[in-house]
Order: sequence, then structure tokens, then C-alpha cells
Amino acid sequence: LAKTTQPISMDSYEGQEVNITCSHNNIATNDYITWYQQFPSQGPRFIIQGYKTKVTNEVASLFIPADRKSSTLSLPRVSLSDTAVYYCLPEGTGRRALTFGSGTRLQVQP
Amino acid sequence: GAVVSQHPSWVICKSGTSVKIECRSLDFQATTMFWYRQFPKQSLMLMATSNEGSKATYEQGVEKDKFLINHASLTLSTLTVTSAHPEDSSFYICSARELARDNEQFFGPGTRLTVL
Repeated sequence: LAKTTQPISMDSYEGQEVNITCSHNNIATNDYITWYQQFPSQGPRFIIQGYKTKVTNEVASLFIPADRKSSTLSLPRVSLSDTAVYYCLPEGTGRRALTFGSGTRLQVQP
Repeated sequence: GAVVSQHPSWVICKSGTSVKIECRSLDFQATTMFWYRQFPKQSLMLMATSNEGSKATYEQGVEKDKFLINHASLTLSTLTVTSAHPEDSSFYICSARELARDNEQFFGPGTRLTVL
């Protein structure tokens, strides 16, 4: 299983752009890269998923270089409500479970 | 989007009792559901994979006789914590894969179990 490495924590201020990078050197060819957000005492929530290059939705952007050994989640203009733990995971098809790493604890200050 | 629910959202029980947690896929069919456990300030740890109509597959170190899993239908999996002890107090989260969209996984809101 591909192991992921993310910064343990990050701090930001409201209105700033936040970029969280995750390394996944051994990602499988068929795996997508998915990012989840988790608030305290809640289940993880899907944010964005991509295979390569750039993906953008109404919440975030995901940048994946050609070698796919890393990915960067970009949150534009964060607010206090973006304070959460963010997990990146390789996710493939089939019945495999997800292996969660330590995640990145983002703290947004006023 | 697909919705997964859990019931109860929180439960407090006495040591030695059993507690059942339900995980339901509300608007889709899920042949496979997963059960995770999360202790405070830690990441999610996979406990077991629940397959509809067959026995669950447990991760190493998870006692199958203590954590009973039943996946009797395509929309319901249950986790029963038998003879619960305070060290079983944790946040239990289920997830489900939709049959038609195999690379997407949807998580329930979690169940907070406190054993006194």
C-alpha cells in the first residue's frame, strides 16, 4: 500500500491561500489521489479527487505533477470554518479500504 | 451525493454490556462497507471490511469475537461491541463503496462510544 507523508500541522489566517502537500512515492498506477476533510467528532468528508495535472471544484484545487509522487491541495481564501484535519489518500477501484495517514491539522486564525 | 448514516450518533454504556452500531447507505447499494476506529487526536484505523452476504475480514489485532460485524443486506452493516470495556471507548466510523461508482467511498458521521 502506498504510504503518504503530510505535514502534521499548518497555521494560517483568514483570507489566505493554503497549500498542503502530500507525498505518495509508491502510488499505484491505477490509484487516484483523494483528499478528505475531517472536523472533530465527524466522519471524513470528500473534498477533491484527481489522477494527474490539475483538478478544480467549488471548494479546492488539486495539483498533481506528471510523476504523481506528490499532490498539493490548494484552499483559496480560507475561513475559520476550514479549521480541520486534511487527509490525502491514494484510492483505487475495487473493494480496498482506505489507509489513513496522520493527516494535516490546519488551524485558521482570525 | 451518496449518504451514509450511523445510529446511534453517541452511546454511553456500562462496562460488560454490548453495544450495536448501525451503518446504512441511504440512497445507494453497498456491497462493501468498512469499519474504522478513531481515538482522540489520532487518525482513523481500519478495523474490518464487511462484505454483504459473507464473513467480515478483520485487520490484524482486532478481535473478531469482540467486534461482531453483520452485513445482511446491501444497505446495512452492523458492528456489535461485545462485553465493552473502557478501553473500547472511541469514535467508530463506517464507510461504504457504491456499487456503481467503485472508486468513491462515502463516510458515515461516526458514533461516539463511551464505556463507563
